[in-house]
Amino acid sequence: GAGVSQSPRYKVAKRGQDVALRCDPISGHVSLFWYQQALGQGPEFLTYFQNEAQLDKSGLPSDRFFAERPEGSVSTLKIQRTQQEDSAVYLCASSLSGGSTDTQYFGPGTRLTVL
Amino acid sequence: GDSVTQMEGPVTLSEEAFLTINCTYTATGYPSLFWYVQYPGEGLQLLLKATKADDKGSNKGFEATYRKETTSFHLEKGSVQVSDSAVYFCALEAGNTPLVFGKGTRLSVIA
Repeated sequence: GAGVSQSPRYKVAKRGQDVALRCDPISGHVSLFWYQQALGQGPEFLTYFQNEAQLDKSGLPSDRFFAERPEGSVSTLKIQRTQQEDSAVYLCASSLSGGSTDTQYFGPGTRLTVL
Repeated sequence: GDSVTQMEGPVTLSEEAFLTINCTYTATGYPSLFWYVQYPGEGLQLLLKATKADDKGSNKGFEATYRKETTSFHLEKGSVQVSDSAVYFCALEAGNTPLVFGKGTRLSVIA
C-alpha cells in the first residue's frame, strides 16, 4: 500500500517568495503532523490535525506559517515571505488515530532552500 | 518541557561490532519511547518502540529497553552490518502530544 507522500521533494525559493508544500497521508489515517528538520538536528513539531481540525499549532515559528487540511485528507503547509532561516526539510507524518501508542508514518520530506 | 538527549555522533564501527547508542529522556508522566532510523535518501522509519517501563522493543536485531529508573532507552545491536549505516533518532511521546526527538546519531559501518 502507498505510504505518506510529499511534494515537491525539493523546493528552491528566493527570499520573500511564498511556498506551498503538500502532504498526502496514508488513506484512512485520522491524524496528520508536520515537523521541521534543520540540518543536523532532529525533527521539531510544527502542527497537528485530527481529520480537518487543527488541534495544535503551537510549534509554528511565526504567523508566516500556515497549514490546512480542509477535507481531512491532503494537507498543505504554506510559508509566506520565506526567509533564509526557513531552509529545512519539512516532514509530514500520519497515524491511524493519534494516540500515544499509535505509530507515526513519515513521508520522505520536502527540502526547502531559501536563497 | 519534555526532552530527549542522545549521544552525539558520528559513530564509526567495523562490521560485526557491537553497537550502543545512548538515549535519556525527561518527561512528565509516562511517555512512550521510540527509535526511528533515517537511511540515506529515505524518510524516517520507525525501528522499534516501548510503551511502558521494562518493555523491550526489538526489530532487525536492534533492541532497546525502557528503563524508568534511569530514564533511558539505549539502542543496542550485537553485530552491525554495513546496511545499518544511517541516522538514528530517539523520541518520546507523552500523552496526546507530538513526538519529541533527539538530535540524531549518525552511524557509519565500514566493511
